[in-house]
Amino acid sequence: RKEVEQDPGPFNVPEGATVAFNCTYSNSASQSFFWYRQDCRKEPKLLMSVYSSGNEDGRFTAQLNRASQYISLLIRDSKLSDSATYLCGGGGSARQLTFGSGTQLTVLP
Amino acid sequence: GAVVSQHPSWVICKSGTSVKIECRSLDFQATTMFWYRQFPKQSLMLMATSNEGSKATYEQGVEKDKFLINHASLTLSTLTVTSAHPEDSSFYICSAKLGHEVRGYTFGSGTRLTVV
Repeated sequence: RKEVEQDPGPFNVPEGATVAFNCTYSNSASQSFFWYRQDCRKEPKLLMSVYSSGNEDGRFTAQLNRASQYISLLIRDSKLSDSATYLCGGGGSARQLTFGSGTQLTVLP
Repeated sequence: GAVVSQHPSWVICKSGTSVKIECRSLDFQATTMFWYRQFPKQSLMLMATSNEGSKATYEQGVEKDKFLINHASLTLSTLTVTSAHPEDSSFYICSAKLGHEVRGYTFGSGTRLTVV
């Protein structure tokens, strides 16, 4: 079983739609979780850190459920510029970040 | 913010030659650097963990003699792909963990290697 499993995607949604991605993780020792955005042929860029209490940044909301070992990302009022691949990642205090396989999002006009 | 500078951004080399990729942390000390590889439409796969002043730790299936890692200082880690072959063509990217958990990890801009 992969350490981090992610929604397979791809997601094609109309502009203005709300879309949600989920990841599950198997290593209960993982302490830190993040959502990254990766544009084609570019490096991943941190989108949000994920906390148990949930965190929101504009149209983006991230949640962590430690009991069920999953993290989620909700994008509201999606824009064309949100089209990218979204990677979830988890790691411990000294561990490398392990990524999910990524979910490709295409927002259509 | 913390920046990792990675060079070169792309390289084309002949089969059998070696290619060195550098990652420098510009405004912080990176005691640990992670090296990933990403094939088209696939996720980032960890190749090795580079620790300053000690030997790198390689993931299962990654040949340490083929992918040489050197982390001689707190600001520089290098990955050398030796005797490169077309199947080594990929996107190589380094990452360093920042001091505070909430800041996550910062990535170099990646190196697109094409072996012909």
